[in-house]
Amino acid sequence: SQTIHQWPATLVQPVGSPLSLECTVEGTSNPNLYWYRQAAGRGLQLLFYSVGIGQISSEVPQNLSASRPQDRQFILSSKKLLLSDSGFYLCAWSSGTGFGQPQHFGDGTRLSIL
Amino acid sequence: QKEVEQDPGPLSVPEGAIVSLNCTYSNSAFQYFMWYRQYSRKGPELLMYTYSSGNKEDGRFTAQVDKSSKYISLFIRDSQPSDSATYLCAMSVSSNTGKLIFGQGTTLQVKP
Repeated sequence: SQTIHQWPATLVQPVGSPLSLECTVEGTSNPNLYWYRQAAGRGLQLLFYSVGIGQISSEVPQNLSASRPQDRQFILSSKKLLLSDSGFYLCAWSSGTGFGQPQHFGDGTRLSIL
Repeated sequence: QKEVEQDPGPLSVPEGAIVSLNCTYSNSAFQYFMWYRQYSRKGPELLMYTYSSGNKEDGRFTAQVDKSSKYISLFIRDSQPSDSATYLCAMSVSSNTGKLIFGQGTTLQVKP
């Protein structure tokens, strides 16, 4: 069966520090991968998605970037965090074959910027 | 106007009640419809997945899609305190990107 791992679960960082969040998927090949941010009491905002290694699409211009160095690895980064980067970050995957496949989520990283 | 509208609630019901959660949408190209359940401090979990119009039942949960009205519903029968969570609807067009458009989510509390 397929599993998705995100770490760390909780992170507290000072303003201006760098960020690296990692997500890996097991049990599937060539998945579509997604990064979301969820503000408290609000819906999911799609940040980046990837349909293959090295292929990254950005949905919202901002202080973050994403990379996909391996088929089942997706990384969210920032060079200098802002207070507004606080939130709940979720990684998700879907099958890369066929249309309309549901997404499956990790348990997220709660990021607090001080 | 948002592509997907969902009343954020909160919705509070007594244990055993039938719960109805709804979303409306504006894009007639949506063909795939999903419901997710999200517990506090957890990622969303896929509950129901349907394609096109009609009903789908899974245990106490029934998903209903009415494409003519651009309206989807999730019914929960015999609601339990463990059903207390945020429920998100999501939908997509036929695309190889797999991008989903989510509703804002409805917070449900089932009181014992």
